[in-house]
This record gives sequence, C-alpha cells and structure tokens, in this order.
Amino acid sequence: QKEVEQNSGPLSVPEGAIASLNCTYSDRGSQSFFWYRQYSGKSPELIMFIYSNGDKEDGRFTAQLNKASQYVSLLIRDSQPSDSATYLCAVDGSSNTGKLIFGQGTTLQVKP
Amino acid sequence: NAGVTQTPKFQVLKTGQSMTLQCAQDMNHNSMYWYRQDPGMGLRLIYYSASEGTTDKGEVPNGYNVSRLNKREFSLRLESAAPSQTSVYFCASRNSGPYGYTFGSGTRLTVV
Repeated sequence: QKEVEQNSGPLSVPEGAIASLNCTYSDRGSQSFFWYRQYSGKSPELIMFIYSNGDKEDGRFTAQLNKASQYVSLLIRDSQPSDSATYLCAVDGSSNTGKLIFGQGTTLQVKP
Repeated sequence: NAGVTQTPKFQVLKTGQSMTLQCAQDMNHNSMYWYRQDPGMGLRLIYYSASEGTTDKGEVPNGYNVSRLNKREFSLRLESAAPSQTSVYFCASRNSGPYGYTFGSGTRLTVV
C-alpha cells in the first residue's frame, strides 16, 4: 500500500463546477496535510494546508480533513480553466524529520 | 525575497560525466530536501538535511551525494551520470512547524 494515494485522473470538470480531489494516507500519526498545485513545466506551489479535523476555506478552495478515516480532500468551487493543473497531496509523517510524503498527483482539466 | 534558488535550470550531460546541482534558500529555513520527479512516478526524495550539519538518505539515494554547505546551501552531486538520472530535480526547504515546503524552480537534467 502506498503511503499517500491519489487518483491520477485526469479529472475533467466544466468551467464553473466544483472540482473534488481526494487523497488517502496510511500513517495514522500524520499531523499536517498539504495541497500543492503544479502547472506543467513548473514547480509545485503550496495552495492549502490543514492540520485539524474539519474544513478550512481560502477563497475558492476548501480543504477537508478526516483523521479517523485517514482522508483529506480539496474542493475547488467555481472552477476556472486556469485551475487546470496537477494537484499534489502531501502528508507530514510522524517521524519528526520534516519530510513530506507526496501522492502521485491528480490532473485536473477545467473545460470552458 | 528570492526564496529557493536552483542552478542550473537546464543541463545536458554525457553518460559518465559529473555535475553538481546547486540550491540556496534565503528564508532561514532549517531543513532542505532534494527530490526528483519523473512521469508517472511522482516526487521521490533523494536526500534531505533536517538541520545544518546533518544529511540523510531518502527513497532513491543511489548515484547521488549531497553536501549541506551551510544553513543556506544544499548541493546535490552526480558523480557518474547515467541515463536513468534523466529527470527534473527540485530542491525544497522548510522550517519547523505545520508549514509546507517552498520549492525551487527546478533543474531539467538530460543524460545522453
């Protein structure tokens, strides 16, 4: 079992719709969870982080965390073509090394 | 504020040549990391330095060496490049706490 799993996609949504990206993780001791956006040919860019159960909202983005189910998700409301990118889920493990463990990413396509 | 600076941005090597990828951060971060990213493989950790003066192997360290020169700089060396090391290399840094990585812009390396 991979430590952090994401559906590779592509996930295709129409412009204006809600895009839902999901991630599961295996280490129950994980404390912090991150979503990165990576445009083709560019480096990953941090867009959200969450460390408490529940929802965290920032503009059109909402991160959701459920530690009991070992599940974290990212919702993008009013999706725009500029949101088309690969979204990487990253988990801060319990080893105190500071290492983040990344999923393989979900490619999102927002169609005009 | 430059963040994380990687050099060079592009490099072509012949098999057996050596080179050093440079990384410097100006955010006073304690921890630094080297990843490689290959299609379908996600981000894989090569080496990391949790604090100045320490380095540790990551998931795919074979064929690489690192040096944490000081708190700002963390270099990655390929002693004898192989075609399997063709990849995009990212350096990242991070401070303690529930904060994610800041990535450099990447080095696209081709070994022929």
